[in-house]
Amino acid sequence: DQQVKQNSPSLSVQEGRISILNCDYTNSMFDYFLWYKKYPAEGPTFLISISSIKDKNEDGRFTVFLNKSAKHLSLHIVPSQPGDSAVYFCAVYSGGSNYKLTFGKGTLLTVNP
Amino acid sequence: DAGITQSPRHKVTETGTPVTLRCHQTENHRYMYWYRQDPGHGLRLIHYSYGVKDTDKGEVSDGYSVSRSKTEDFLLTLESATSSQTSVYFCAISEQREQFFGPGTRLTVL
Repeated sequence: DQQVKQNSPSLSVQEGRISILNCDYTNSMFDYFLWYKKYPAEGPTFLISISSIKDKNEDGRFTVFLNKSAKHLSLHIVPSQPGDSAVYFCAVYSGGSNYKLTFGKGTLLTVNP
Repeated sequence: DAGITQSPRHKVTETGTPVTLRCHQTENHRYMYWYRQDPGHGLRLIHYSYGVKDTDKGEVSDGYSVSRSKTEDFLLTLESATSSQTSVYFCAISEQREQFFGPGTRLTVL
C-alpha cells in the first residue's frame, strides 16, 4: 500500500505561471511533511517542510499548504522559472526516534520558457 | 550543503559478484540511510543506521546488508548482485526530520 501518493507523474507549465504539485497521504498520524527537489544525476535536496500544527508555510517563491482533513498537501511555486524544472518528491515523517521518511514516487515538473 | 560523499559514483558489475558502496559524511550526524531510486518507484529505504553498529532494515532490504563501524561511514553491500539491483543508490544523513542526500551511485548489474 502506498502511504504517500503523487498521482501526477508529470506537469508542464509556462515560465512565470504558478506550478502546483500535489501529494496525498493515507495515515492521519503523519505529523511532518517535506518536499524535495531532484535534478538529473544529483541527489535530492530539501526544499520546504510543514508541521501538522500548521496549514501553510512559505519560503520565497515556494509555499506548502496542508489540508489535514483531506490528507492532502500541495507545493506552489510562484512564479515558475525554467530552473525549477526537476523531479519533486513529497515525503512524510510518521514519528519515532529514527527519523525515517516515506517518499512519494515523484512528479516531473517542466517549466517552459 | 551537507558534507556527504558516495563512492564509487558509477559501477558496472556482473551478476553474482559482491559489491560494496560507501557513504562518508563529515557532519557527525547520528542517522544514516540508504535508498534506491527506480523509475515508477520513487525513493525506497533499504537500510538505516541510528548509531555506530546500530542498523535496521527498511522496506526493500532483501539482498542487501549494511555496516557502520564509524560515525562517518555507512557501507551498503550487495552480497551477490542481481540484475534487479541495477539502480541509483542514495545515501542520506540526518539529525532530525530533514534528511540530506549524497550525490548518488549509479550501479549496473549485467
